Amino acid sequence: AQSVTQLDSHVSVSEGTPVLLRCNYSSSYSPSLFWYVQHPNKGLQLLLKYTSAATLVKGINGFEAEFKKSETSFHLTKPSAHMSDAAEYFCVEYNFNKFYFGSGTKLNVKP
Amino acid sequence: GAGVSQSPSNKVTEKGKDVELRCDPISGHTALYWYRQRLGQGLEFLIYFQGNSAPDKSGLPSDRFSAERTGESVSTLTIQRTQQEDSAVYLCASSLVETQYFGPGTRLLVL
Repeated sequence: AQSVTQLDSHVSVSEGTPVLLRCNYSSSYSPSLFWYVQHPNKGLQLLLKYTSAATLVKGINGFEAEFKKSETSFHLTKPSAHMSDAAEYFCVEYNFNKFYFGSGTKLNVKP
Repeated sequence: GAGVSQSPSNKVTEKGKDVELRCDPISGHTALYWYRQRLGQGLEFLIYFQGNSAPDKSGLPSDRFSAERTGESVSTLTIQRTQQEDSAVYLCASSLVETQYFGPGTRLLVL
């Protein structure tokens, strides 16, 4: 069965420093992969998606993610964290009409 | 255009009562998903509708949960004889191909 693993449940960074949120997927096929962000008491917002085109995907708010098939990874990065980035982030795999969610990573940004 | 809408935004009910949650998907989206998100946890898949096909009910936690969808439009999620453990945010998402768009959710509190 497909599974998505977000390696860190919590990540804490200082404002202005880089962000790395890690995600590994399990599919042996080429899946579609997504990152969503959820701010407190808000719905999920699509950050970016990978659908077998360029392996480096740029999203909104300066985020990007790189698809690495050899590592089955799709890590989310941002060069410089902003206070408004504090939220929960979900990595999602889409395969055979189903979506598989990671358990989420809470990002804390310190001033 | 309009996004996914859900109603009510908040619902407080007494244990043992039935509740109905509504989702209006984006017009033209053939797929509709329901998820449950308990406090501090990730998303739990409940049910998936795709066009006129039989729904995938594999995520429904018990027979107290049911959902309907009229064609490719509105969907209702019904929880009968609510229990305190049903307290959660219920999220609806719709999609045309592989990208899901989420509604703001219904926050259900069972007293």
